[in-house]
Amino acid sequence: QVQLQESGPGLVKPSQTLSLTCTVSGGSISSGSSFWTWIRQPAGKGLEWIGRIYSSGSTNYNPSLKSRLTISEDTSNNQFSLKLSSVTAADTAVYYCARGGGSGNYWFDPWGQGTLVTVSS
Amino acid sequence: QSALTQPASVSGSPGQSITISCTGTSTDVGYYDYVSWYQQHPGKAPKLMIYDVSHRPSGVPDRFSGSKSGNTASLTISGLQAEDEADYYCSSYTSTTTLWVFGGGTKLTVL
Repeated sequence: QVQLQESGPGLVKPSQTLSLTCTVSGGSISSGSSFWTWIRQPAGKGLEWIGRIYSSGSTNYNPSLKSRLTISEDTSNNQFSLKLSSVTAADTAVYYCARGGGSGNYWFDPWGQGTLVTVSS
Repeated sequence: QSALTQPASVSGSPGQSITISCTGTSTDVGYYDYVSWYQQHPGKAPKLMIYDVSHRPSGVPDRFSGSKSGNTASLTISGLQAEDEADYYCSSYTSTTTLWVFGGGTKLTVL
């Protein structure tokens, strides 16, 4: 079955760019009309939708993050990535990647295990 | 402040039933049948329990059920078991530019 795994630095300095990669196994990110999503969760708080990329390469972003956010795909490595610029302490969270979030798949399943990113100098 | 409103906590004894509500608006829960529910144990990733309001993924016990009325969706867990103790989040597709909204989460305690 499809599995997802996040990777990237666990510590990012304020004003720098947070970069994470989600590696997908057991299925192709470019198959059918798949949607691939990033979601984050600050410690002790709820979930926040960050954005998504379709199998066509099109993207949608949370308006609150749009000016700092880029989501891209690397089909050759079956990965999709997140870049969030000008980070502050408010961006400290566990970041999850998940499949879904679009046409024919209006839910998120499965999820990666999550990766904690701390923004601190 | 989360877009969807859930009670902060609910509790029940083993064998009992509980219901968690998730209240949105006419642009999300009230408009689309794209409400999903997630179970999250401490330190773990969320797990899909209900999708499209009332559908259960393969492997989820039939003790879990979902429904919707107007702008409020509900998750009911019957025959509570100790392993059901977790945080539960609802989510809905929305017609706004945010596209997806979540509830603030409900902590279920099995007494």
